[in-house]
Amino acid sequence: GAVVSQHPSWVICKSGTSVKIECRSLDFQATTMFWYRQFPKQSLMLMATSNEGSKATYEQGVEKDKFLINHASLTLSTLTVTSAHPEDSSFYICSARGGLAYEQYFGPGTRLTVT
Amino acid sequence: KQEVTQIPAALSVPEGENLVLNCSFTDSAIYNLQWFRQDPGKGLTSLLLIQSSQREQTSGRLNASLDKSSGRSTLYIAASQPGDSATYLCAVRAAGNKLTFGGGTRVLVKP
Repeated sequence: GAVVSQHPSWVICKSGTSVKIECRSLDFQATTMFWYRQFPKQSLMLMATSNEGSKATYEQGVEKDKFLINHASLTLSTLTVTSAHPEDSSFYICSARGGLAYEQYFGPGTRLTVT
Repeated sequence: KQEVTQIPAALSVPEGENLVLNCSFTDSAIYNLQWFRQDPGKGLTSLLLIQSSQREQTSGRLNASLDKSSGRSTLYIAASQPGDSATYLCAVRAAGNKLTFGGGTRVLVKP
């Protein structure tokens, strides 16, 4: 099956700093990528959708200037959390879909802790 | 706005029993429904995907049914094993081509 990787798998950063999370589709071209966040014992909440070469579409309530998404190629999307705060601590999961495929493939997630 | 609900939120069964996990959604105009498994601190593993035109999908010990008109799907796991312990999430794809997730069912299979 299709494989999606994320890097890093976990990261600890200090308040006020920025952190970048990478999402890669390893064996298919991801025309659409999705970023989710998940708080403990809660379900996934969609943050934004990005199509290769286009600006990301953010869900209501998600600050686009805080969560910068770049989908520069068909195999790579990045999420940058700018000026991180402790409340940004969460599990961030990316997902990718290729072309007209129905199925989304999910990455292993990145645990972000802001101290 | 599409809402997805999973009941129960948690389930504990002895090894060997069959598992029945329920998922309901409010808007029946869906493209497909997908069941996922999530282990603690991990990403999602896709288990089954049912297109809106299908009524069920099977993979090994797993069987998922879909009744679009009533807004329900059920995931059956036969002869449960301790390794089946995880959180199971259902998600529907509808207008806007986005997945809407349910809250999940945390399953514990006791040896």
